[in-house]
Amino acid sequence: GEKVEQHESTLSVREGDSAVINCTYTDTASSYFPWYKQEAGKGLHFVIDIRSNVDRKQSQRLIVLLDKKAKRFSLHITATQPEDSAIYFCAASMQQGTGSKLSFGKGAKLTVSP
Amino acid sequence: AQTIHQWPVAEIKAVGSPLSLGCTIKGKSSPNLYWYWQATGGTLQQLFYSITVGQVESVVQLNLSASRPKDDQFILSTEKLLLSHSGFYLCAWSRGGSSYEQYFGPGTRLTVL
Repeated sequence: GEKVEQHESTLSVREGDSAVINCTYTDTASSYFPWYKQEAGKGLHFVIDIRSNVDRKQSQRLIVLLDKKAKRFSLHITATQPEDSAIYFCAASMQQGTGSKLSFGKGAKLTVSP
Repeated sequence: AQTIHQWPVAEIKAVGSPLSLGCTIKGKSSPNLYWYWQATGGTLQQLFYSITVGQVESVVQLNLSASRPKDDQFILSTEKLLLSHSGFYLCAWSRGGSSYEQYFGPGTRLTVL
């Protein structure tokens, strides 16, 4: 099955700097790549996603890049703020029936210091 | 707007005791529903998914079962808890058909002693 590797387990940046979290996946059939944010003790909050028909997507301070040849995707957070501090999970998805199976990375803890 | 509610918020249970966790979706008819398990400090693992009432597919066997008795309700249960069942259980929903986005509930923290 699909295996998603999340390369950074922790990263620390200063407020205003950019943060980059990188993930790789194994199954070429994966076609959807969401990112989720989890604050301590809480559920996952959808952040941004990208589908395999594009290689870049931006939503305000968030940019997702997808390199299908390398089976790699990344989340770029620009102009970071302390409230960006959380654990970020990348995931890859393919269809299963009419549902979808999300395979998650292990999470990267981002700390933004003032 | 759609809302997703999980109950209970937290449970402390003894090994060998039964368990029932619930999830309800409001504001969306015929959603796809999912159960995930997150070990403490770990990643998420999809356990079950359901695309319609009465139909549940198992993704990973963890001595748990799931049922969907109503369109808006998803239940996770077991008759005998193991220590390894401890963790954070998350329910999620997505729109039916080919849509992929999944939206997660607040989760239930389970501690098995």
